[in-house]
Amino acid sequence: QTVVTQEPSFSVSPGGTVTLTCGLSSGSVSTAYYPSWYQQTPGQAPRTLLYSTNTRSSGVPDRFSGSILGNKAALTITGAQADDESDYYCVLYMGSGISVFGGGTKLTVL
Amino acid sequence: EVQLLESGGGLVQPGGSLRLSCAASGFTFSSYAMSWVRQAPGKGLEWVSVISSAGDTYYADSVKGRFTMSRDNSKNTLYLQMSSLRAEDTAVYYCAKRKTLPGSTVAGYFDYWGQGTLVTVSS
Repeated sequence: QTVVTQEPSFSVSPGGTVTLTCGLSSGSVSTAYYPSWYQQTPGQAPRTLLYSTNTRSSGVPDRFSGSILGNKAALTITGAQADDESDYYCVLYMGSGISVFGGGTKLTVL
Repeated sequence: EVQLLESGGGLVQPGGSLRLSCAASGFTFSSYAMSWVRQAPGKGLEWVSVISSAGDTYYADSVKGRFTMSRDNSKNTLYLQMSSLRAEDTAVYYCAKRKTLPGSTVAGYFDYWGQGTLVTVSS
């Protein structure tokens, strides 16, 4: 059973930079997994941030960026703002129709 | 404007059945793959299933054999028939439009989401 790993929580100061990662319990994440990232605030539906590793969804500010760092996918927020305080989820496409969500990272901006 | 509106959630007893619907508008429904994603109370998101534009379906192991996803392109509506429901199926169920990558019928990402419908499995 493949597990997609994310940091359970992270904190960043307003204006700071933070990098959240998305890994595999076994193996390395590459662009072939088409990593995508979603933001969710409590009680709301998810919002699509990035897809295919580093392509921003429509309307997403350019302070959100994606990459592969080492053996993980990464979401970097540059110049964090108070309303970036949310849960962030990555998704990896495993092939054969199967997608797997990471456990999510709760980001605190303080 | 893309809109996805889920319905059909509610309280059901363990072992029971329920059918969720997702009414889609604002895009050519028949041309796109669609997915269901769920979120148990206080927990993370979990992919449940996907259906291609051609009607091919794929499921998470946790629901395989119990849930059936289908679509009615004439009604622009997506369905999730859930049976043999368990307490651990309690969740908000989101319908999501799937943007597929060139050359693939289901590989891609979720580009639009509904607001979700709550399913509670309890006696």
